Amino acid sequence: EAGVAQSPRYKIIEKRQSVAFWCNPISGHATLYWYQQILGQGPKLLIQFQNNGVVDDSQLPKDRFSAERLKGVDSTLKIQPAKLEDSAVYLCASSPRGHQNTEAFFGQGTRLTVV
Amino acid sequence: ELKVEQNPLFLSMQEGKNYTIYCNYSTTSDRLYWYRQDPGKSLESLFVLLSNGAVKQEGRLMASLDTKARLSTLHITAAVHDLSATYFCAVDGYGGSQGNLIFGKGTKLSVKP
Repeated sequence: EAGVAQSPRYKIIEKRQSVAFWCNPISGHATLYWYQQILGQGPKLLIQFQNNGVVDDSQLPKDRFSAERLKGVDSTLKIQPAKLEDSAVYLCASSPRGHQNTEAFFGQGTRLTVV
Repeated sequence: ELKVEQNPLFLSMQEGKNYTIYCNYSTTSDRLYWYRQDPGKSLESLFVLLSNGAVKQEGRLMASLDTKARLSTLHITAAVHDLSATYFCAVDGYGGSQGNLIFGKGTKLSVKP
């Protein structure tokens, strides 16, 4: 079974530039998450989708971050404009249906460096 | 505010020794997850603990959950170098409903010969 796919693996941009990350979840997984992991910390949820609807985006900095999940499969996360503090690993995860009695499966992440 | 606290944050131990990582949380969630992360890699699920008193073991790792104390432990028996990694515990952000995960800061484990 293929895992959660993310691209690109690495990205370096200058502050105030824009960047987009892509995620393809495990086939059939209804729930998709984007997490931000700053160096030395645990992942922090940015947004949760159930199919193509947003379940929770309370911690998403909406003035600069946006995400969509068209057709309830792939998802993109965009940052515009980027700030230095956005440097982090952005992890995408999916689960069959929320976290009820099951764990989330994580992709390898995109390491973003803002200079 | 929901908090998940792990200790220690750094752990250096010798091969063959035993040790325990602790995870305290402030929500009433009765579900707790343990993940492993190798440097530059993603998170790998280790254990899903679904109820009070749950205990799960895989190889040299054993996890337990006490929901009344809001405490989970990850016990390492006779550590080997391959166990060197960062270990995260996480709980459901909505107290067990169909929610997201709140992670601790992680425990960086280094096992030395």
